[in-house]
Amino acid sequence: GQQVMQIPQYQHVQEGEDFTTYCNSSTTLSNIQWYKQRPGGHPVFLIQLVKSGEVKKQKRLTFQFGEAKKNSSLHITATQTTDVGTYFCAGLPGGYQKVTFGTGTKLQVIP
Amino acid sequence: ETGVTQSPTHLIKTRGQQVTLRCSSQSGHNTVSWYQQALGQGPQFIFQYYREEENGRGNFPPRFSGLQFPNYSSELNVNALELDDSALYLCASRENSGRAPNEQFFGPGTRLTVL
Repeated sequence: GQQVMQIPQYQHVQEGEDFTTYCNSSTTLSNIQWYKQRPGGHPVFLIQLVKSGEVKKQKRLTFQFGEAKKNSSLHITATQTTDVGTYFCAGLPGGYQKVTFGTGTKLQVIP
Repeated sequence: ETGVTQSPTHLIKTRGQQVTLRCSSQSGHNTVSWYQQALGQGPQFIFQYYREEENGRGNFPPRFSGLQFPNYSSELNVNALELDDSALYLCASRENSGRAPNEQFFGPGTRLTVL
C-alpha cells in the first residue's frame, strides 16, 4: 500500500533559525496537504497543494510540491516558539477516499 | 475551535469489550472521516462517510464499523477490543463540494485506553 515518509523525525532549532521538513510518497499523489499538531492537540489544516511544482507561501511558511507529485516540503523561516509542534503531510492519491498521513516531524524551538 | 465535537473525551475499556465513539460535524459539512492516532504516530485513516454511506476505507478490520446520521453526525464502533486499539480517535469533517478535495476540520479526539 501507499507509504508516506517524512524526514527528519525530530528537529531542535534555536529560535530564529530556519526549519525544513521533507515528505516522500511511494506513489504519485493527486494532492498533498500539510497539518500542524500542537502537543496534546489535534491536527490543524495548513494548506493543500494540487499542481506539479506548486509553491505556496503563508507568511514565514513555504510549501512546495515536487514535479513528479511524489514529494513535498515545508520550510519555516526564522522559527518562533509558537512554531513548536509536529508537522504532518498527508497524501491523497485520488481524493479523500484513502488519505495517508506521513510519519511527522516534531519541531522543538529553543528560546 | 473547529466546530467539530467528539464524545467522550476519555474512555477506558477492557479487552474484548465494545465501544462507540461519537462525532458531531461542523455545520454544513456532509462528510466525516475517522482516524486512529497511536502515541507518537501520524493519524491512520479508518474510513470516510458521505451522505450516510461509507465511501472510503483504510486498512482496518471489519470490527471497526461506523454510521453517519441524516444530520451528518457520526459514530465509530469497535468490537472485540484489543490492547493495540489504545489510541486517540479523531474525527474530521468537511464540505464535499464535488470539486478538488478541500480542507477538513478535526475534532479534539477521544482517548481510548484498552486494559
